[in-house]
Amino acid sequence: SSELTQDPAVSVALGQTVRITCQGDSLRSYYASWYQQKPGQAPVLVIYGKNNRPSGIPDRFSGSSSGNTASLTITGAQAEDEADYYCNSRDSSGNLVVFGGGTKLTVL
Amino acid sequence: QVQLVESGGGVVQPGRSLRLSCAASGFTFSSYGMHWVRQAPGKGLEWVAVIWYDGSNKYYADSVKGRFTISRDNSKNTLYLQMNSLRAEDTAVYYCARRPTYYDSSGYFVDAFDIWGQGTMVTVSS
Repeated sequence: SSELTQDPAVSVALGQTVRITCQGDSLRSYYASWYQQKPGQAPVLVIYGKNNRPSGIPDRFSGSSSGNTASLTITGAQAEDEADYYCNSRDSSGNLVVFGGGTKLTVL
Repeated sequence: QVQLVESGGGVVQPGRSLRLSCAASGFTFSSYGMHWVRQAPGKGLEWVAVIWYDGSNKYYADSVKGRFTISRDNSKNTLYLQMNSLRAEDTAVYYCARRPTYYDSSGYFVDAFDIWGQGTMVTVSS
């Protein structure tokens, strides 16, 4: 079973703000990273580290963390943001990598 | 440009073996830890294995430990995944991914999968 827990599905109205969360004990020691995956495509990194966006990722994507919970926030969600989002980090040992179960984001 | 290209997927019977390859280009392959990640049809991402930049350490998910072997040839800029004793539950798209690591300005460890291949499908079926 995954050591990182995500809500299976979240919805947001077009242009509104949505927060996707990820919980796990290892997040007290390691940053989470976040990936967007659209059907039939490979995942794409959207947030890593404290709150860093790779080149080409819109600034409406941001990340934060508190205790054992990491969050991905999309401020002003767009239709093209509809996708599956996965959090990822190290496990408690630090040697292995774990993914959350994924959150399906629907933009209404 | 920076690129990872997987190959070697296909249909294989349960109990048989398959070797996947991942060809890297556009970056210094020997400087990065490399991973395999898989995704069963309609399911989420599952981390499979990691190999350090110099091949000195390897770690596996419990679901594949003892059956899969990750390796690399830095002279050929290629990552491999040898899959033995395949099971139906190994059916998935297999991605290779680069995971750079560093310490940020606050001294915290940072790593993430920044480059992914397009994936190769492995189907285990009789």
